[in-house]
Amino acid sequence: DGGITQSPKYLFRKEGQNVTLSCEQNLNHDAMYWYRQDPGQGLRLIYYSQIVNDFQKGDIAEGYSVSREKKESFPLTVTSAQKNPTAFYLCASSMGQGGYNEQFFGPGTRLTVL
Amino acid sequence: GDSVTQMEGPVTLSEEAFLTINCTYTATGYPSLFWYVQYPGEGLQLLLKATKADDKGSNKGFEATYRKETTSFHLEKGSVQVSDSAVYFCALTGATNKLIFGTGTLLAVQP
Repeated sequence: DGGITQSPKYLFRKEGQNVTLSCEQNLNHDAMYWYRQDPGQGLRLIYYSQIVNDFQKGDIAEGYSVSREKKESFPLTVTSAQKNPTAFYLCASSMGQGGYNEQFFGPGTRLTVL
Repeated sequence: GDSVTQMEGPVTLSEEAFLTINCTYTATGYPSLFWYVQYPGEGLQLLLKATKADDKGSNKGFEATYRKETTSFHLEKGSVQVSDSAVYFCALTGATNKLIFGTGTLLAVQP
């Protein structure tokens, strides 16, 4: 079955540690996205990538980094510079970045920083 | 900039009641409009969409009509079920081609 997988589902880290969240898709989509979800704030865009080896900052990129070395993979690193990293992180992909292209979402990773 | 405003929840209904979740938007040009649904502990799924004025999106008994004159895209369902309990997000893509979300509305349907 085609889809988006995110791992792990739950992640716990100590303050000051970097952590990498995995996102893989087998939909052959060109564009991939990372969102952060906090209670009562909807989803906010962290980073997006329209094509391999290229990515752009979203609205809240500070304290995060990404890479796009393969079409199928778009890992997100939450660095120690992110002041409030505890949140639900969602990865998505779409055929392209145009407005008509539906975004498909993964099941999410809940990160808790202790 | 572009934005989406949707009614705050939670919305609590009895099974078979009529549902309306209000959504209004601000955007330049002609955005595409979406409703996404998030079941507990899961990611988001596209529920329905409309890409031009007066289009009606529909899926699983849910409907929403793109109203340019009132800049609205209200979600409706004639008879809700317990299984419809979820968080519903209104969203748009505008001139920037980025997906912009409302804050979400929690729907709780009681048997």
